Amino acid sequence: DSGVTQTPKHLITATGQRVTLRCSPRSGDLSVYWYQQSLDQGLQFLIHYYNGEERAKGNILERFSAQQFPDLHSELNLSSLELGDSALYFCASSVGLAGDSSYNEQFFGPGTRLTVL
Amino acid sequence: GDSVTQMEGPVTLSEEAFLTINCTYTATGYPSLFWYVQYPGEGLQLLLKATKADDKGSNKGFEATYRKETTSFHLEKGSVQVSDSAVYFCALSVKGGNKLVFGAGTILRVKS
Repeated sequence: DSGVTQTPKHLITATGQRVTLRCSPRSGDLSVYWYQQSLDQGLQFLIHYYNGEERAKGNILERFSAQQFPDLHSELNLSSLELGDSALYFCASSVGLAGDSSYNEQFFGPGTRLTVL
Repeated sequence: GDSVTQMEGPVTLSEEAFLTINCTYTATGYPSLFWYVQYPGEGLQLLLKATKADDKGSNKGFEATYRKETTSFHLEKGSVQVSDSAVYFCALSVKGGNKLVFGAGTILRVKS
């Protein structure tokens, strides 16, 4: 158990709908990352938040947005869903930010499996 | 841009066989390198890491050496077990960067 929790575990919805995925980082971790794992794109970085502020964006669609709240949990909002958005969405957390010569180990949650029908 | 290439699977081995999963990378500067493992139905777990050239990461009998000259970080294990069946991901993080860049993943199946 990594200490990172994600809800829900599974989500089935229809095209055009909107869903919210939730992530609670490990106690004390200030950074939250979202990744998407799909069969055709593999594991891709979506977005990174640190202490409530957006720090980096990856291949995140405009239909997707995220935020990190004062209690440090994060939500990923996916709207106008398409069939191709079906994927496993992972959240990861780390203590802080990587410095110029260091790396912050990321701990992954179990993921939310989204199925768009 | 930064990228990771790892050997395609699935790799199917008998128990106690030797394992090698190849991984090469392209990155600006000196990245940190990682192997993550994903067991069926679970999230990713860090298996091992190396943060500078010639470092050897090791854990649970798995090893990988950071080779700057060949830009490689191949995963090896001397004797695999059925319980090692999983998907293995090679990944990198650029110094000062915070995101992980993953390879496509390699499925390992170990038969008893």
